[in-house]
Amino acid sequence: AQKVTQAQTEISVVEKEDVTLDCVYETRDTTYYLFWYKQPPSGELVFLIRRNSFDEQNEISGRYSWNFQKSTSSFNFTITASQVVDSAVYFCALNLLYGGATNKLIFGTGTLLAVQP
Amino acid sequence: GAVVSQHPSWVICKSGTSVKIECRSLDFQATTMFWYRQFPKQSLMLMATSNEGSKATYEQGVEKDKFLINHASLTLSTLTVTSAHPEDSSFYICSAKRTANYGYTFGSGTRLTVV
Repeated sequence: AQKVTQAQTEISVVEKEDVTLDCVYETRDTTYYLFWYKQPPSGELVFLIRRNSFDEQNEISGRYSWNFQKSTSSFNFTITASQVVDSAVYFCALNLLYGGATNKLIFGTGTLLAVQP
Repeated sequence: GAVVSQHPSWVICKSGTSVKIECRSLDFQATTMFWYRQFPKQSLMLMATSNEGSKATYEQGVEKDKFLINHASLTLSTLTVTSAHPEDSSFYICSAKRTANYGYTFGSGTRLTVV
């Protein structure tokens, strides 16, 4: 079975602090995709990154960076110098490359990040 | 970029009435559409998956007669909540799977309140 665990329910930081959101996944498949989405209070889901299981290179995009480690089945997300606009719920998700007809995304429970000014 | 237009963004209806939510892929063909519901402070729960021209596949515990899904074309999928009750009040989001580069595009969501 596939599962995504985001153990941190809520995180509160002060602006300019760095923060890491944890994501641990479970799957027996060797080919899969991992995603991070941001959901601001307005509700829409904002795509942040997609990483396939064959690419363990860490990625940096501005203040965002991702650490993918297959050995620990983790795909952690770090925001450097956090800003109030980063306040949102962040979801990690898993999708099997050969998931069959559905190819559905399996979401974690989300982490609510509150950045205080 | 790929856009999914979801309407309405919010709706209030009386108990017992039906509500239709539409999702349109504006600049790509969506062979597969996913429908999620999200209760406050909870994760997205997949309700059903629909492929164009075929019947939707519902997740366990989701009443297919209550949540009618139609995916009649490659650009339009609809979710109809029939005989809505207050417990159906939730945030509903659609997601379209793009055939080209294996991506997912989400609609902006519909907040349904049943009074």
